[in-house]
Amino acid sequence: EVQLVESGGGLVQPGGSLKLSCVGSGFTFSNFWMNWVRQAPGKGLEWVANIKHDGSQIYYVDSVKGRFTISRDNARNSVYLQMNGLRAEDTAVYYCAKGMDVRGQGITVTVSS
Amino acid sequence: QSVLTQPPPASATPGQRVTLSCSGSSSNIGSNPVTWFQQLPGTAPKLVIHSDERPSGVPDRFSASRSGTSASLAISGLQSEDEADYYCATWDDSLNAWVFGGGAKLTVL
Repeated sequence: EVQLVESGGGLVQPGGSLKLSCVGSGFTFSNFWMNWVRQAPGKGLEWVANIKHDGSQIYYVDSVKGRFTISRDNARNSVYLQMNGLRAEDTAVYYCAKGMDVRGQGITVTVSS
Repeated sequence: QSVLTQPPPASATPGQRVTLSCSGSSSNIGSNPVTWFQQLPGTAPKLVIHSDERPSGVPDRFSASRSGTSASLAISGLQSEDEADYYCATWDDSLNAWVFGGGAKLTVL
């Protein structure tokens, strides 16, 4: 069974940093693009970033470019999202996805003073 | 303002067939397969269609199609548990980004 488990969320002040982690199991992690998708409270889904199987291609939504960094460790079946310069508008539930298949419950990030 | 446009909320009665639409442009729907998500209240989104195919476990009542710069998700034999928010998404070649529709709330009366 495919599983994705996110961790690392929490409450952080504006301008602060957090690193999200996502561990995958039940599939060959190194064969898939991995994505991060988020959902602000009461809002729709928004794609955040993705990374190719071998890390050779990376893309970001414009609003996080220069602040967020996606990375992966195929040996650990893990994908990460380093979030710096956090803003109130980054407050959301963050989901990692195998391709665009969201399998985790998401992790909450709250940016507030 | 979402790159993909999904019409206002829809409603239907059990047993009916409902179609949800998603409109884009040549750089997104016109060039790439569309993914559809179902999000039940208070839960994570669930992929129900990717590139016109259903993952295992998704009922065959769900089907999708794409024509030009528009796509649609059809649900036949509507059931009360189909009441959810539905999102379309696809890759945009101009933006080099995944883009989503704003979502469509389906109410089963």
